Formats: sequence, C-alpha cells, structure tokens
Amino acid sequence: DVKVTQSSRYLVKRTGEKVFLECVQDMDHENMFWYRQDPGLGLRLIYFSYDVKMKEKGDIPEGYSVSREKKERFSLILESASTNQTSMYLCASSPGGGFNEKLFFGSGTQLSVL
Amino acid sequence: DQQVKQNSPSLSVQEGRISILNCDYTNSMFDYFLWYKKYPAEGPTFLISISSIKDKNEDGRFTVFLNKSAKHLSLHIVPSQPGDSAVYFCAAQLKYNFNKFYFGSGTKLNVKP
Repeated sequence: DVKVTQSSRYLVKRTGEKVFLECVQDMDHENMFWYRQDPGLGLRLIYFSYDVKMKEKGDIPEGYSVSREKKERFSLILESASTNQTSMYLCASSPGGGFNEKLFFGSGTQLSVL
Repeated sequence: DQQVKQNSPSLSVQEGRISILNCDYTNSMFDYFLWYKKYPAEGPTFLISISSIKDKNEDGRFTVFLNKSAKHLSLHIVPSQPGDSAVYFCAAQLKYNFNKFYFGSGTKLNVKP
C-alpha cells in the first residue's frame, strides 16, 4: 500500500514564525500535492509538484511556498505564519502521467497559529 | 467559486437503511469523479470512482451514479453500517488537466445503531 507520511500530527506556532510541514511518500509517485481543509470549504489546493524541483500554484498559494528537492519529499513552507493559516493541512501523492488516477493522502497536520 | 458542491453538510441514517450522498458540479469539462471518506484525525481515503463514459459504478455496498445532463452524482451506501460514519468528499478531475482535483465541502454521515 502507498504510504504518505506527514511529519507532525499537531503543530502550534506563533504569528510570524516560519513553519515547515514535511511530507514523504514511499511509492515513487511523480505528483505530490498540498491541500488545506477548512470547515465548509472542503479541500483546497495550495501547491502541487509534478517532478523534482517543479511546482505549480494551486488555488490558494498566497502566503505559502513549497520545496521538492527529492522525488519522495514535498515540503510546505509558511514564510511568516498568520492566524488565518490555522487549518488542517493534507499532503497527497498520485502516480502521475495519466488520467483516472486517484490521490493518496497522508493523515494530516493540524496547525494552530496563535 | 466552488465548482463541486455538496449542499448537505450532514446526514443521519439508521443502521441497515440506505445512505444517499449528493454532489453537484458546474464544469462540463470534468471527466472523472471520485468519492473519498475521511475519519477524524485521519487523511481522506479513496472509496469509489466513476468515469464520465459510465452512469453507474458499483463496489460492494457502495454505488456511484452519474447524471451528466444534470451535472449530478450520488453515492449510495446499502446497507449503512455504523462504521460508515465519516465525512464524505466528492471530487472531480478535469479532462485535460490530470493533476487538478476539485473537491466538494463534504457531507458528514452519521449512521445510528
């Protein structure tokens, strides 16, 4: 089974801190994604990456950046955390290169910014 | 502007009965649809999918129906079990952009014993 591992289940940070959320997948997937989940809004795409060092903005990239130096690892960076970034963050991966693929999700990181 | 909508935030069903979760979409270029199930403190897990060339797909207790003319899909769970209690998200994929998935806001299903 595909495993997508997010490094932290819960994080509490202060406003203005730089925050790193790490995600690792073990199935050699090409694509990796960062979503945030907020009540009533569902899952919204922040960024995705279709190859090492390649990235594309999703629907809500403002205030975030990403890094993919190795195929298995995709990091989400909050340069200066703000309270409106308090959310559940979900990393996902997919095999890549095809239609009718599905996403495999990690367990999520609940981030609270105080 | 959400292109995939789940208008019922919650649904309560008695064990053994049918659960019907609904999803509407606005973009006619969506070509592939998926349902995910999410338990608290866990990531979403894939449940079932359907391609736009079909109008029904069945997997055990779960059936997804697609009505392209109405831009509507539904997930039927028969019979419902207490372990089905979770949040269900529908998602859609564009025909020409394989990397982008659009999610609805979710429906929280509670199956009462």
